[in-house]
Amino acid sequence: GAGVSQTPSNKVTEKGKYVELRCDPISGHTALYWYRQSLGQGPEFLIYFQGTGAADDSGLPNDRFFAVRPEGSVSTLKIQRTERGDSAVYLCASSLGVGGTDTQYFGPGTRLTVL
Amino acid sequence: AQKVTQAQTEISVVEKEDVTLDCVYETRDTTYYLFWYKQPPSGELVFLIRRNSFDEQNEISGRYSWNFQKSTSSFNFTITASQVVDSAVYFCALSSFTGGGNKLTFGTGTQLKVEL
Repeated sequence: GAGVSQTPSNKVTEKGKYVELRCDPISGHTALYWYRQSLGQGPEFLIYFQGTGAADDSGLPNDRFFAVRPEGSVSTLKIQRTERGDSAVYLCASSLGVGGTDTQYFGPGTRLTVL
Repeated sequence: AQKVTQAQTEISVVEKEDVTLDCVYETRDTTYYLFWYKQPPSGELVFLIRRNSFDEQNEISGRYSWNFQKSTSSFNFTITASQVVDSAVYFCALSSFTGGGNKLTFGTGTQLKVEL
């Protein structure tokens, strides 16, 4: 079946602009996670959803970052007033549930470049 | 706080050599899970294995094997008879259930290069 998909694959924007990154999880997966991966680093947790609600947003770096999942499937990560330090690969993952045995499957990521 | 350390930044081997990737973790949780993911040049993280904190049995899957030792907080990964297709960045990760959910804490990764 289809895996996690993310669009766009690449996004180049200018400092101060607003961007939206989209994640389409595996069908039937109730949990959805966003991570950010900077060059040469491992992914860092940003936020996760169980269903439609953001259950834990403790990893969001500041209030310029926001994410929604209105219908419990597709999620959008929104970044306002982008800064050069926001440049990274944004990864989305989904899993059946939120238990330890629920493996997270990752999408290909969106590479964001802020000029 | 959760922490995962992968001290080996980069490893280069010749095809058919065996290679071990090290992973050391820190956690205060009594129940946790450990993972290995592979990130090939294409960028997509590929799940390899999950281990829970109560199961220290070593696991073998084809050319891959994992050694989990709670006493040393390590979860090492060995590739036997390495192949060029094994070239990738490998990440070790630790789950946390603090605050609910299953947030993963990743190490910084080990870049494995397998040459002919």
